[in-house]
Amino acid sequence: KAGVTQTPRYLIKTRGQQVTLSCSPISGHRSVSWYQQTPGQGLQFLFEYFSETQRNKGNFPGRFSGRQFSNSRSEMNVSTLELGDSALYLCASSSGNSIATNEKLLFGSGTQLSVL
Amino acid sequence: AQKITQTQPGMFVQEKEAVTLDCTYDTSDQSYGLFWYKQPSSGEMIFLIYQGSYDEQNATEGRYSLNFQKARKSANLVISASQLGDSAMYFCAMKETSYDKVIFGPGTSLSVIP
Repeated sequence: KAGVTQTPRYLIKTRGQQVTLSCSPISGHRSVSWYQQTPGQGLQFLFEYFSETQRNKGNFPGRFSGRQFSNSRSEMNVSTLELGDSALYLCASSSGNSIATNEKLLFGSGTQLSVL
Repeated sequence: AQKITQTQPGMFVQEKEAVTLDCTYDTSDQSYGLFWYKQPSSGEMIFLIYQGSYDEQNATEGRYSLNFQKARKSANLVISASQLGDSAMYFCAMKETSYDKVIFGPGTSLSVIP
């Protein structure tokens, strides 16, 4: 099975621009979760998509949005970039059984976003 | 309130020695799952080991084992016979039935010294 694929691997943007990141989950997985990782804040949950619907949302401003397509691929978008948005953005896929406590997340390699 | 605590920001271990990475958690759920992930400098989070709250035996996966003490709410990761490739960040994570997101601790940076 192919793993979780995130593109691009690296991005450099300037303040005020917008950016779109892509994540293709493992075949058969219907849930995609997005996390932001920074040295100061650690891993913070952004949102989760399941069957093309946002099922969970973290505590991030509306500049952060996402969507999921019928093939379970997901994109996240950050508009009006700020310096503080510089981070590693990780996506994770799972089958999406929300009540199963044994369902592990499988992660992609991440997109390293630098905002100048 | 912090639900997962990893009190060791950084650890050093000699190659071939065993090392224990600490994790304590807070939950009022009876059913929950605990996970450990490894993140090398490349950035990818790699799943290592899982322990369910109802599992009576400690989980083991190769050189990784989980020292699960439910009453103390601790789930420490033990890596036996450390290798240079074990140098990485290690994250403890939890999923509760009442809260369907996986939450992560702050991580511990492990350095294996030759």
